Amino acid sequence: GQQVMQIPQYQHVQEGEDFTTYCNSSTTLSNIQWYKQRPGGHPVFLIQLVKSGEVKKQKRLTFQFGEAKKNSSLHITATQTTDVGTYFCFRLDTGRRALTFGSGTRLQVQP
Amino acid sequence: DGGITQSPKYLFRKEGQNVTLSCEQNLNHDAMYWYRQDPGQGLRLIYYSQIVNDFQKGDIAEGYSVSREKKESFPLTVTSAQKNPTAFYLCASSPGRNSYNEQFFGPGTRLTVL
Repeated sequence: GQQVMQIPQYQHVQEGEDFTTYCNSSTTLSNIQWYKQRPGGHPVFLIQLVKSGEVKKQKRLTFQFGEAKKNSSLHITATQTTDVGTYFCFRLDTGRRALTFGSGTRLQVQP
Repeated sequence: DGGITQSPKYLFRKEGQNVTLSCEQNLNHDAMYWYRQDPGQGLRLIYYSQIVNDFQKGDIAEGYSVSREKKESFPLTVTSAQKNPTAFYLCASSPGRNSYNEQFFGPGTRLTVL
C-alpha cells in the first residue's frame, strides 16, 4: 500500500523544550489527519488539514500541510509532561481507497 | 453515554482457535474500521465498512473476517489462518460514508494467542 513515513521514530526532550514530528509521503495527499495515543490508550483525533500550505494552531500545537501536499508537520512549543505519547499522522484518499497511518513518533518528556 | 465499546479488554486463546472481537458504537456513524497495532508500531488497517452489509479489505486482511449486519456493530473474527494473531486490536468509527471525517476509537482489545 501507499507508504507514509514519520520521523523521528522517538524523541526524548526536557520539559519546556520544543518538539516537531514530520510526516512524508511519496504521493500527493488529499488531506491528512493527526492523532495522539497516550501510553496504554487509544488514538485520539487532533486535527485535519486539507488545503495546500495550511497552518492550524491548537494552543501550543501547530500543524502544517506542505505546499505540495506531500508532507506535514506537528510542532509542540514548550512541551509539558502531559504531551507524552505517540503522535501519528493519518493519510486518507478515498479515491484510491487508501487509509494509512504513519509509523508514529513517540515523545517522552523529562520533568 | 455515547461512544465505542470493545470487549473484552484482554483476551487469551489457544493456537488454532477462531476468536471474535466485538465492536459496538451508538454514535450513529456510518463507517467503521478495524486496525491492528503491534508493540511500538503504527496502526495497520484490517477491514473497513462504509455502509451496512458492505465492507472492504484493508492492507492486512488475510486471516481475518468481518460482518456488518447492523449499523452499530462490526465484529472481527481472527481465524486460525492468521499466522501471528497476538496484537492490540482497535476498532474505530466515523460519521458519514467517506473517510474524510475524524475517527473515534474504542479502548481496544489485547489478544494473546498461546
